[in-house]
Amino acid sequence: DIVMTQTPLSLSVTPGQPASISCKSSQSLLHSDGKTYLYWYLQKPGQPPQLLIYEVSNRFSGVPDRFSGSGSGTDFTLKISRVEAEDVGVYYCMQSIQLPYTFGQGTKLEIK
Amino acid sequence: EVQLVESGGGLVQPGGSLKLSCAASGFTFSGSAMHWVRQASGKGLEWVGRIRSKANSYATAYAASVKGRFTISRDDSKNTAYLQMNSLKTEDTAVYYCTRPVAGNWGQGTLVTVSS
Repeated sequence: DIVMTQTPLSLSVTPGQPASISCKSSQSLLHSDGKTYLYWYLQKPGQPPQLLIYEVSNRFSGVPDRFSGSGSGTDFTLKISRVEAEDVGVYYCMQSIQLPYTFGQGTKLEIK
Repeated sequence: EVQLVESGGGLVQPGGSLKLSCAASGFTFSGSAMHWVRQASGKGLEWVGRIRSKANSYATAYAASVKGRFTISRDDSKNTAYLQMNSLKTEDTAVYYCTRPVAGNWGQGTLVTVSS
């Protein structure tokens, strides 16, 4: 199975400041079709996960442009340019290049 | 609007069985693979399994932790996916989500509690 490792596991950020989360996979997520199957989710308290970023760097419909994704191969990053109060929750990366799909452990974002 | 609505959760004793349903709307269900993901209280997300479409022979795949105990099926005439859970263990206690994860579609989840 592909192991997804996120750092840090928790983050406390002042509103308006940037935040960054790293996700490393144990195998490359680059498919022979040229796509890289890495996704970012945010799970707000009491809610199901919501998709933020698909295929490394594409913002999902309705996701604010303060969220951005980058990376390649096995190293990926989610950045929030200016954190807002509504961004609190747990962030997960997920790979779908190989079954079983696997998730990172989650990064809990809190507001200072 | 895409909707996924899970049902069938509840309290079951260890060794018992439960069948979850996922009613889908707002997309072409028959052409879509459907996944189940679970989350124990205060824990992370765990992929449980998936079923592909008829065009892909309804192929199923499962996490090692549930293989041989859980079965995913679908009824395209009812736009519904199912998760049959047998030989349940206390460690299967979780909220179970029906999802198309790469499309960003998730249900609200249904709680399964395995306890005596």
